[in-house]
Amino acid sequence: ETGVTQTPRHLVMGMTNKKSLKCEQHLGHNAMYWYKQSAKKPLELMFVYNFKEQTENNSVPSRFSPECPNSSHLFLHLHTLQPEDSALYLCASSQALLRTGGDYGYTFGSGTRLTVV
Amino acid sequence: KNQVEQSPQSLIILEGKNCTLQCNYTVSPFSNLRWYKQDTGRGPVSLTIMTFSENTKSNGRYTATLDADTKQSSLHITASQLSDSASYICVVSDSGGGADGLTFGKGTHLIIQP
Repeated sequence: ETGVTQTPRHLVMGMTNKKSLKCEQHLGHNAMYWYKQSAKKPLELMFVYNFKEQTENNSVPSRFSPECPNSSHLFLHLHTLQPEDSALYLCASSQALLRTGGDYGYTFGSGTRLTVV
Repeated sequence: KNQVEQSPQSLIILEGKNCTLQCNYTVSPFSNLRWYKQDTGRGPVSLTIMTFSENTKSNGRYTATLDADTKQSSLHITASQLSDSASYICVVSDSGGGADGLTFGKGTHLIIQP
């Protein structure tokens, strides 16, 4: 395992449901990220948290709501999703944000495969 | 606009053969370039990282090259194995701010056949 754990691995939800994705890292990293990966598209950055403070919201619809209670945990709360939101949602962490200088590679979790029906 | 283009989109080769994946980028200012391997149902895992001054870097049977003048990188896989079947993603960092400074390619889907 990479040290970044995502649950659940698979999720099927209706458009009126409310669910949450969870990410936990045991690497002592200070930055955490949510990415969306759709078929034949590059990874899309959704949210960035640094020391549990949100630093980026990459024009994500409000039906996606992130929460970062501490530097080790990150949640993505989902409600009233659309079928086009079906994708692999990846959590990643890094020692620090790239903008702070130096090379801080990402460690990704295995993702949650989300299907909206 | 920063962009990363990868080719081919998909590739099928026989086990034991070599292959080369390409990555062209228009990212400025350039900081570094990484190749990630993503197995089906898994998150991406970093294979190599290359900075501006590096031309070649190896990681086992994987060898990455970088030509900063032409803004091209390649990932060469030698003596392919079934476990090499995966998507390979090129990621370029600009460290210039904005969405954490990373531009991702769409990836090359590699299938190794026995």
